[in-house]
Amino acid sequence: SSELTQDPAVSVALGQTVRITCQGDSLRSYYASWYQQKPGQAPVLVIYGKNNRPSGIPDRFSGSSSGNTASLTITGAQAEDEADYYCNSRDSSGNHGFGGGTKLTVL
Amino acid sequence: EVQLVESGGGLIQPGGSLRLSCAASGFTVSSNYMSWVRQAPGKGLEWVSVIYSGGSTYYAESVKGRFTISRDNSKNTLYLQMNSLRAEDTAVYYCARLYSGYDFPFDYWGQGTLVTVSS
Repeated sequence: SSELTQDPAVSVALGQTVRITCQGDSLRSYYASWYQQKPGQAPVLVIYGKNNRPSGIPDRFSGSSSGNTASLTITGAQAEDEADYYCNSRDSSGNHGFGGGTKLTVL
Repeated sequence: EVQLVESGGGLIQPGGSLRLSCAASGFTVSSNYMSWVRQAPGKGLEWVSVIYSGGSTYYAESVKGRFTISRDNSKNTLYLQMNSLRAEDTAVYYCARLYSGYDFPFDYWGQGTLVTVSS
């Protein structure tokens, strides 16, 4: 399956900018997508494609990619952004694996 | 409005079988890529299986040969048949629709159904 690596935990001060990264070989060929998950809730898609946000996702969320690394940036983090974030990518074998997840703490 | 509602979870003994269902509304299951994703207690998301609109299926190595994904077009429902269940299969199982573009992100998710494998 696709191997995607994320930092387990990241923290950010309220109102500051934070970047969450995801590394994997599949990212050289395929777009990453990013999901926010709060306790007891299903994941929610926040970024997909080159840098696309689904309807209802605030524009403080953005995505980028370079080589084998994809990044999710939150510009002006809010208390409600505290959550787990997962990256995902397909690969050429039909796998659609997830990264291990990053726990974001807003201080 | 797109909705996905999972059912069929519960407590099952090791070695047993269970079939999960995911009833879809607001779109046609057979015209979309559909997937199952699971999350063990306190752990991260794990992709389990996908079925493409053309019928091709793929599985994570951890479930290959034990789980089968399928769909019933007349009921607009996705299924996951789980056999030879193990304790490590204990998880909340989500069904999700894959958006048809941009390398298929999961754009809609159900609320999940809990499967507990224990004696």
